[in-house]
Amino acid sequence: QKEVEQDPGPLSVPEGAIVSLNCTYSNSAFQYFMWYRQYSRKGPELLMYTYSSGNKEDGRFTAQVDKSSKYISLFIRDSQPSDSATYLCAMSAGNNNDMRFGAGTRLTVKP
Amino acid sequence: ETGVTQTPRHLVMGMTNKKSLKCEQHLGHNAMYWYKQSAKKPLELMFVYNFKEQTENNSVPSRFSPECPNSSHLFLHLHTLQPEDSALYLCASSQDWGEHYGYTFGSGTRLTVV
Repeated sequence: QKEVEQDPGPLSVPEGAIVSLNCTYSNSAFQYFMWYRQYSRKGPELLMYTYSSGNKEDGRFTAQVDKSSKYISLFIRDSQPSDSATYLCAMSAGNNNDMRFGAGTRLTVKP
Repeated sequence: ETGVTQTPRHLVMGMTNKKSLKCEQHLGHNAMYWYKQSAKKPLELMFVYNFKEQTENNSVPSRFSPECPNSSHLFLHLHTLQPEDSALYLCASSQDWGEHYGYTFGSGTRLTVV
């Protein structure tokens, strides 16, 4: 079993749709959770950061963590073509060298 | 442009060539990382440097040789690579080693081995 599982997609939605991106994980020690956005021909950029369980909202983006289910989500409301990118989840237990990444989900938002 | 700059952006090399990838960060961070990104695979950590000292080498083949002359610069020297080494090589930095607030990545070097 992989430590972090993420559906690679691709996922295609119409503009204005609500997008749900998800990751599951197996290591119950993970407590820091991140979402990165990676545009084509660019490196990943940190989009959202969450500690432990709960929700965090930033504009159109909401990150949700359910530690009991070992499941994290990123919701994008009113999706825009500019949201088209690959989204990577990442997580850490807070120890050195334990950052783990998902494989990324490729999202396309069509006008 | 982010605070982490990587050159070159693209590199095509033969299996017998020697080349180097360069990374420079302007953020005052103490830790720098090399990652390999292959299609539909999670980022693979290759090397970690903290205050110029190598702290991690994740069983990377010796044909990859890192160098960190100071906290702002990181190199990855390549020699006798294999076609399966073709990938996007990402450099990242963080304030401290194992920083759990996330890393700052460069745009990567797209490497093709022919």
